[in-house]
Amino acid sequence: QITLRESGPTLVKPTQTLTLTCTFSGFSLTTSGVHVGWIRQPPGKGLEWLALIYSNGDKRYNPSLRTRLTITADTSKDQVFLTMTNMDPVDTATYSCAHRHMDSGGWHPFDSWGQGTLVTVSS
Amino acid sequence: DIVMTQSPDSLAVSLGERATINCKSSQSVLYSSNNKNYIAWYQQKPGQSPKLLIHWASTRESGVPDRFSGSGSVTDFTLTISSLQAEDVAVYYCHQYYSAPLTFGGGTRVEI
Repeated sequence: QITLRESGPTLVKPTQTLTLTCTFSGFSLTTSGVHVGWIRQPPGKGLEWLALIYSNGDKRYNPSLRTRLTITADTSKDQVFLTMTNMDPVDTATYSCAHRHMDSGGWHPFDSWGQGTLVTVSS
Repeated sequence: DIVMTQSPDSLAVSLGERATINCKSSQSVLYSSNNKNYIAWYQQKPGQSPKLLIHWASTRESGVPDRFSGSGSVTDFTLTISSLQAEDVAVYYCHQYYSAPLTFGGGTRVEI
């Protein structure tokens, strides 16, 4: 059974850097074809994909936020991290990590999600 | 970027009636090498994370009731709930995973 859990600060001040941790179980990021991504959702609004890290170490970012995002992983601890710099009140959102994979049929979408963590940006 | 446009924004359906949600992508999401459309549908209930209902446009996830079905190809897709149940009240999102940046539709709120 795949599970993911996000952790990190619930409140950050404007201009600060946010670092979130996704701790997962039930899969390994060293397995070929496995990805972990971050998605956010402002209160009452839609979903926005932020970043993705592949099993081979490749990374992809949403171009609209690329200069502010860094995704990394510690495969020995089954953790993925997201850093977002220069936080602003408009970045207030629930941040979620999610698993996706590829098999013989092709790529799959995010199929398991963490519960998400609400991050509020306010002075 | 592939823009995903969902319609309607919301709809009210009587119990047992059909609900239809449309999603249009700004470019093809059909992967020619395997003839699969890289479209997924999610259901999100208040306070919960999105739940994957359908991938490859029409493949239902294990455990998802068969009243949920997906159809469409290339740029036009539909999620149908054939007989709405009370537990289906939620916001539904389409999602393209054909290319980065991955994008989602704006969501459709389904109410009784």
